[in-house]
Amino acid sequence: QAQLVESGGGVVQPGRSLTLSCAASGITFRNYGMHWVRQAPDKGLEWVALIWYDGSNKYYADSVKGRFTISRDNSKNTLYLQLNSLRAEDTAVYYCATHVAGTIKTWGQGTLVTVSS
Amino acid sequence: QSALTQPPSASGSPGQSVTISCTGTSSDVGAYNYVSWYQQHPGKAPKLMIYEVNKRPSEVPDRFSGSKSGNTASLTVSGLQAEDEADYYCSSSAGNPYVFGTGTKVTVL
Repeated sequence: QAQLVESGGGVVQPGRSLTLSCAASGITFRNYGMHWVRQAPDKGLEWVALIWYDGSNKYYADSVKGRFTISRDNSKNTLYLQLNSLRAEDTAVYYCATHVAGTIKTWGQGTLVTVSS
Repeated sequence: QSALTQPPSASGSPGQSVTISCTGTSSDVGAYNYVSWYQQHPGKAPKLMIYEVNKRPSEVPDRFSGSKSGNTASLTVSGLQAEDEADYYCSSSAGNPYVFGTGTKVTVL
């Protein structure tokens, strides 16, 4: 059974940086593309980024392109999201999730990022 | 990339059926059969309920079904139960490559 555990969230000032991690277990991590999806307080889901199973391709939502970087370490079964130049509107719960045949399949429990001075 | 359009709310009594629509464009919902539906209870992570328009993960009850016509996809929940009360989101693998719907709150009366 796939299990994804996000960490690294917290309170950060506008303009600063933060790195989120997602530890995977119960799956052969290197075989899966991985997503980051976020949800602002009392708002809907927003897709953020996707990385292929081998890290060879990366895709970003326009709202984060140039500020966020998705990466992975298959030797550590871990996915990352580097968040730079943070803004108040980046405040959200950030979920990692597996990519299977065009579908966002299994989700972690999320980690909250609050951007505030 | 604009969000897919869903009605803000839907409701039904226990045992009844409710159908939620998800309207996109010919560039997303209409172009691909990668339409998924997610259920989210308050304070919880989303859960995949339907994928590739009408396929259901093994653990999802067959009361949940999906369909698509043109640029609009639909999720139908038959035989409503109290635990079906939740937020539901559609998503499409569009060119960007993913977009979610605006979300629908389903209330079991």
